Amino acid sequence: GAVVSQHPSRVICKSGTSVKIECRSLDFQATTMFWYRQFPKQSLMLMATSNEGSKATYEQGVEKDKFLINHASLTLSTLTVTSAHPEDSSFYICSASGGTSYNEQFFGPGTRLTVL
Amino acid sequence: GENVEQHPSTLSVQEGDSAVIKCTYSDSASNYFPWYKQELGKRPQLIIDIRSNVGEKKDQRIAVTLNKTAKHFSLHITETQPEDSAVYFCAASVGYRIQGAQKLVFGQGTRLTINP
Repeated sequence: GAVVSQHPSRVICKSGTSVKIECRSLDFQATTMFWYRQFPKQSLMLMATSNEGSKATYEQGVEKDKFLINHASLTLSTLTVTSAHPEDSSFYICSASGGTSYNEQFFGPGTRLTVL
Repeated sequence: GENVEQHPSTLSVQEGDSAVIKCTYSDSASNYFPWYKQELGKRPQLIIDIRSNVGEKKDQRIAVTLNKTAKHFSLHITETQPEDSAVYFCAASVGYRIQGAQKLVFGQGTRLTINP
C-alpha cells in the first residue's frame, strides 16, 4: 500500500519559536495533501488542503499566517507552525492522496508538538 | 458545511460478539465514506470504505452499509477480538472538489473496547 512518512515524530520547543513538520509520500505521487490537528481524545480536524504547486486552502478559523503550508513537489508538503505557543501543542497528522485511488487518504504517523 | 455525527462515543462488547457504529452526514452530494481505526498515538488506518453507488461492502469480519436516502452509514464488526479495541472514525467526503482529492469530514469517534 501507499506509504506516507512524517518528520519529526515528536518535537518540544519553547514558546515563540517556529517548528517545521515534513510530510512525504514515499511510493506514490500525492496530488493532494491534507493537514489535520488532533487534540487528546478528539477527532481529526482538517486544517488545510494543499495541491502541488498551488497555495493551500485553509479551513475556517485556521490562521494561514501562523500555519504556513508549502507543497513544493508531488511527494513533499511542509507545515510550519510559526511563533508557537502552548495552545498549539497537539498531534499534527498529514495525509496524502493520489494515484489510482483518487479519494483515499493515506495518513502519516503524526507529529506530537509540545510547546513549553 | 458538511457535518458528520457518530454514535456511540464509547462501546464495550464481549469478545466474539458484534459491534455496530453508526454515522449520519448532512451533505447529499457526499459520495465517499471511509472508516478508520486509530490506536493510541498511532496514525488512522483505513479499514474499509464505500462509495455512493453501492449499498453494502464486506471484507471478512468487517462490513459497511450505506443508506443514501437517510444519509447514514454504519460499520459492522463481527466475531470481535481483543485486537479490535481502538478508536474508530467514520468520514464523509465534502461534496465539491476544489482541485485534486475531496476533503473528508470526520465523525467524533467511537472508543471500542472488546472484553475478553
